[in-house]
Amino acid sequence: AQKVTQAQTEISVVEKEDVTLDCVYETRDTTYYLFWYKQPPSGELVFLIRRNSFDEQNEISGRYSWNFQKSTSSFNFTITASQVVDSAVYFCAETGANNLFFGTGTRLTVIP
Amino acid sequence: DTGVSQDPRHKITKRGQNVTFRCDPISEHNRLYWYRQTLGQGPEFLTYFQNEAQLEKSRLLSDRFSAERPKGSFSTLEIQRTEQGDSAMYLCASSLAGAGEAFFGQGTRLTVV
Repeated sequence: AQKVTQAQTEISVVEKEDVTLDCVYETRDTTYYLFWYKQPPSGELVFLIRRNSFDEQNEISGRYSWNFQKSTSSFNFTITASQVVDSAVYFCAETGANNLFFGTGTRLTVIP
Repeated sequence: DTGVSQDPRHKITKRGQNVTFRCDPISEHNRLYWYRQTLGQGPEFLTYFQNEAQLEKSRLLSDRFSAERPKGSFSTLEIQRTEQGDSAMYLCASSLAGAGEAFFGQGTRLTVV
């Protein structure tokens, strides 16, 4: 069965601190994709990144980086030098042959 | 194509009434998903289509909910005999099957009074 666990419900950091959001997934699919989405206060879900199960290379995009560890079924997201505009709810998600399944989200608050 | 669009953006209805929402996906996308999101929760999967075929429906979904995608393009989600517990944001998303990322619409906020 599909399951995505985001154990951190809420995180608060002071601006310019680094922060890592954890994501652990379960799937029976041998080929699957993992995602991170951002939901700012405006409400619309914004796609951030997709990784496929065969590519364990870490990825960096500006202040964002993602660490995919297949051995531990984790796909963690790090924001470096956080900014107030990073305040949002972040969702991890997984899809294989079936539907796109979301975790419960982590609310990140960046304090100026 | 400007993305996934949903209509209406807001709907207030009385308990017991039927409501229907529409979603227009990104035109070349063959997968279409419906989700429900309540305050402080993640998107809860309702159902998804690949082209016109409804491939999966959440077991949590009441028989009062039905979705269609008749020509493999736009989709409708109908809720019959609405209850106060149906109040939520209803999100639609589309993607290319196998390629991954789903793009979301702005949602339809339903309030049942």
